[in-house]
Amino acid sequence: DAGITQSPRHKVTETGTPVTLRCHQTENHRYMYWYRQDPGHGLRLIHYSYGVKDTDKGEVSDGYSVSRSKTEDFLLTLESATSSQTSVYFCASERTGGTEAFFGQGTRLTVV
Amino acid sequence: QQQVKQSPQSLIVQKGGISIINCAYENTAFDYFPWYQQFPGKGPALLIAIRPDVSEKKEGRFTISFNKSAKQFSLHIMDSQPGDSATYFCAASFLGSGTYKYIFGTGTRLKVLA
Repeated sequence: DAGITQSPRHKVTETGTPVTLRCHQTENHRYMYWYRQDPGHGLRLIHYSYGVKDTDKGEVSDGYSVSRSKTEDFLLTLESATSSQTSVYFCASERTGGTEAFFGQGTRLTVV
Repeated sequence: QQQVKQSPQSLIVQKGGISIINCAYENTAFDYFPWYQQFPGKGPALLIAIRPDVSEKKEGRFTISFNKSAKQFSLHIMDSQPGDSATYFCAASFLGSGTYKYIFGTGTRLKVLA
């Protein structure tokens, strides 16, 4: 399995607080992705990165920001958490586009 | 145009039966079609994938059938086993704005009865 880890694995936070989720990969993959998984919606792309400091928005990017200062780390920040952001968040990485994306174990975030 | 529509939402199959999951897409720019398998509490993992220049790909009990003209592709699981019980996602990937993005279907929860 590709070395991709997410932290924390579980988090409960209050509405209005900022939250940062971390994704770390040891495969030197160029592409990294953040998805959220919700019942009935599958996996929806939040943001993605195609290199250090190169990021772009996905289909559900409102309320989220990302940063990638190193190849191995991709951070997802919820600027002011809302209850609608309660979800399971998955990070994925890929060596080159259109090959195989490897997923982390997910972070279950609850906003109360 | 970037949606991938997946059906059925859930599927129950007897052990030894054939499981079939279907996906349809609109964007002809998609050029890579993977299927991911996800067990509870785990991240999705690549199961099998196909590119649009072939109509079928088989790996063990898993087969992707691809119909480019109809813009549809499907996953067939032959001799389904209880260990195949999982959620399956189809996806499509394309090169847009100089980088690849994946669009996933909504998932199919498969249960194989022993």
